[in-house]
Amino acid sequence: AQSVTQPDIHITVSEGASLELRCNYSYGATPYLFWYVQSPGQGLQLLLKYFSGDTLVQGIKGFEAEFKRSQSSFNLRKPSVHWSDAAEYFCAVGLNTGFQKLVFGTGTRLLVSP
Amino acid sequence: DAGVIQSPRHEVTEMGQEVTLRCKPISGHDYLFWYRQTMMRGLELLIYFNNNVPIDDSGMPEDRFSAKMPNASFSTLKIQPSEPRDSAVYFCASSLRFTEETQYFGPGTRLLVL
Repeated sequence: AQSVTQPDIHITVSEGASLELRCNYSYGATPYLFWYVQSPGQGLQLLLKYFSGDTLVQGIKGFEAEFKRSQSSFNLRKPSVHWSDAAEYFCAVGLNTGFQKLVFGTGTRLLVSP
Repeated sequence: DAGVIQSPRHEVTEMGQEVTLRCKPISGHDYLFWYRQTMMRGLELLIYFNNNVPIDDSGMPEDRFSAKMPNASFSTLKIQPSEPRDSAVYFCASSLRFTEETQYFGPGTRLLVL
């Protein structure tokens, strides 16, 4: 069955430091991959997505992610974290079965320390 | 566009009562999705519609849950009767017709069943 694993439940990063959030997926075909961010009390906002082509994807708010087929990973990165980046981050796989069914990971909560 | 609109934002009700959650998708979007988010199970797809027609309701937990989309601009998710274990945040999302299109999420309805 298709699944998404985000191994880190919580991550704390100092403001200005770099960030990497891990995501591994299990899916037989070429996946559509997404990163969403959820701020407290808010809905999910799309940060970036990968469908095909260049495996390094740029997103909003200075985020990027790299698709590595050999590792079944789609890790999210940011070179310098801002306090406003504190939120919960969800990786998702889109099942290309003719409609866009998303399977989400359990999320990683990012805390930013001063 | 105002984005996906959900109402109410918060709902507190007593066990056994009927609960109706409402969603207005982004104009022009052909797909509408209902998700539930809980601490235990994360984000789960409950049901989705294409052109107002329910396509896959396999995620609906029980017969107590029902969803309708009477027109392209309105959908409801109803729980009757509600139970404490239904307490969760319910998100509505919409997307354009093609598989590769992004899902846009509403702010969610936080439901508490006492």
